[in-house]
Amino acid sequence: EVQLVESGGGSVQPGRSLRLSCITSGFTFNVFSISWVRQAPGKGLEWVGFIRNKDYGETTEYAASVRGRFTISRDESKSIVYLQMNGLKTEDTAVYYCSRRGGNYATSDFWGQGTLVTVSS
Amino acid sequence: QSVLTQSPSVSAAPGQKVTISCSGSTSNIGNNYVSWYQQLPGTAPKLLIYDNNQRPSGIPDRFSGSKSGTSATLGITGLQTGDEADYYCGAWDSSLSAVVFGGGTKLTVL
Repeated sequence: EVQLVESGGGSVQPGRSLRLSCITSGFTFNVFSISWVRQAPGKGLEWVGFIRNKDYGETTEYAASVRGRFTISRDESKSIVYLQMNGLKTEDTAVYYCSRRGGNYATSDFWGQGTLVTVSS
Repeated sequence: QSVLTQSPSVSAAPGQKVTISCSGSTSNIGNNYVSWYQQLPGTAPKLLIYDNNQRPSGIPDRFSGSKSGTSATLGITGLQTGDEADYYCGAWDSSLSAVVFGGGTKLTVL
């Protein structure tokens, strides 16, 4: 069974950092790219970024709103993807989902349950 | 303001058919595949349609997708109360080098 489980969310002050983890199982991790998508309270989906698999050099793409502040990385030995979030802003408050990219860039075929990040002073 | 445009809400009676539209541009829908997601209240999104009109395993054929030019449409037939959810379209935008989503359409089954 394919599973993705996010962890690491919580409350943090503006300007601080937080690292989210996406622990995966049930599929061949090194074959797939992994995406992060967030959803602010009461709002729609917003793509954060993704990391390609090893065959594509584990390269990354980011939304303009997080580029330079957020970094996605992956640990092949543990089948985990990380989202390092630095310089957090109040507008980063959201539920963060990780998902498995199932084909084209906009296709996520399996999703985690999400983890809430609250940025507030 | 979302790059892809969806109507905020749509409603229909049980058993009826509804369509949800998603409008974009040549940099996204016009030249890239469209995916559709269903998000039930309090849950993570679920893939309904990928590559414009393909259904993942387990998605009933009541759900269909189509694309024409810079617009895409999700169709749902035989509406059930369990279909009440938010529906999102998504596509890669080649100009932004980003995945873009519509603002979401809330489906109410009356």
